Amino acid sequence: DAGVTQTPRHEVAEKGQTIILKCEPVSGHNDLFWYRQTKIQGLELLSYFRSKSLMEDGGAFKDRFKAEMLNSSFSTLKIQPTEPKDSAVYLCASSLKGAHEQYFGPGTRLTVL
Amino acid sequence: GDSVTQKQGQVTLSEDDFLFINCTYSTTTYPTLFWYVQYPGQGPQLLLKVTTANNKGISRGFEATYDKGTTSFHLQKASVQESDSAVYFCALVYDTNAYKVIFGKGTHLHVLP
Repeated sequence: DAGVTQTPRHEVAEKGQTIILKCEPVSGHNDLFWYRQTKIQGLELLSYFRSKSLMEDGGAFKDRFKAEMLNSSFSTLKIQPTEPKDSAVYLCASSLKGAHEQYFGPGTRLTVL
Repeated sequence: GDSVTQKQGQVTLSEDDFLFINCTYSTTTYPTLFWYVQYPGQGPQLLLKVTTANNKGISRGFEATYDKGTTSFHLQKASVQESDSAVYFCALVYDTNAYKVIFGKGTHLHVLP
């Protein structure tokens, strides 16, 4: 079975650019999550979708971060405009509805110069 | 609010040493508790899960007991190997209807050959 796929694996952006990260969840999973991972803050939830509906958009991340689910098997996370403090690993995870066990992708390492 | 605390940021052991990673949690409910492991270049993956107080989760030689009295879920392994070097996250879901997983900050285990 294919796991969660994320592209690109690495992204380097200049300050002020727009970047789009992509995620394909495990086939058949209803829930999709975007996280940001840093050494200082750990794992921070950015967005949560259930059956393509946005259920949580991450509060403090709302202004420059926008996640979308175009269909049940594809999601994007747009950061616009990027800032150096956005440098982190962005993880996508999926799970069966209500199952709680989350399956993570390998992440995208973003560096903003 | 609901939280998970891992006090050890880093643990360094030699092969065949005993592993103990501390995890305590705070919640007003009866949570489901998890340990996730993250190897370099990968996303976190579920290591073990326990839903019922006083039960023990066991996986790949690791074990953790859900202790409601001390609100702890410490991770143990009798004899670590170099391949166990990774970051370990304690996590909880505060009730069965919740989707949000509360993660600890993680403990980086480095096992010397």
